[in-house]
Amino acid sequence: DIVMTQSPDSLAVSLGERATINCNSSQSVLYSSNNKNYLAWYQQKPGQPPKLLIYWASARESGVPDRFSGSGSGTDFTLTISSLQAEDVAVYYCYQYYTSPTFGQGTKVEIK
Amino acid sequence: QIQLVQSGGEVKKPGASVTVSCKASGYTFTSHGINWVRQAPGQGPEWMGWISANNGNTNYPQKFQGRVTLTRDTSTSAASMELRSLRSDDTAVYYCARDRDFLTGYLFDFWGQGTLVTVSS
Repeated sequence: DIVMTQSPDSLAVSLGERATINCNSSQSVLYSSNNKNYLAWYQQKPGQPPKLLIYWASARESGVPDRFSGSGSGTDFTLTISSLQAEDVAVYYCYQYYTSPTFGQGTKVEIK
Repeated sequence: QIQLVQSGGEVKKPGASVTVSCKASGYTFTSHGINWVRQAPGQGPEWMGWISANNGNTNYPQKFQGRVTLTRDTSTSAASMELRSLRSDDTAVYYCARDRDFLTGYLFDFWGQGTLVTVSS
């Protein structure tokens, strides 16, 4: 199985400031035949199922605010929240769907 | 609107089996696969398997092969997940989740509300 490792486990950011979450996969999730990274980001708030934010490493799901962006390729990826809002307090998971799907352990984002 | 509505919480004893159901509405059921994902308390989600709503083909990760069975009923637009030989570490919230589309594969866009399964003697 591909192991997804996120850093940090938690971070506290002031409102309006940038939040950055990193994700490393134990093997590449870039599929050479279509040049796509099978990497997504999910947001989960307490008592709710995860919500899809980003797929193909950088494509924003419909309805997701543009302050959320994804980048990276191969084995190293980043989720950036450009200007943290109160409603962004949540746990964020990276997720690979290149092969038997696996999630990262999660990064908890709080307000400083 | 697209909805996946799951059955209610369950309490089971070790060694028992549990079945969780998921009823879909608001889209063409056979056009999207259904996945099952579980989340133990304080842990990240874990994928348990996929079923094609169109033809019933399934795919299970090795960890759950032989212990999980996924089924679907196109006449009622519903899917079910049976987990057998329950252990205490199977205590978790179980979700059904729809494939976004056939191009993205196991990428989930709509989720059920979750079903808490508690395994305790």
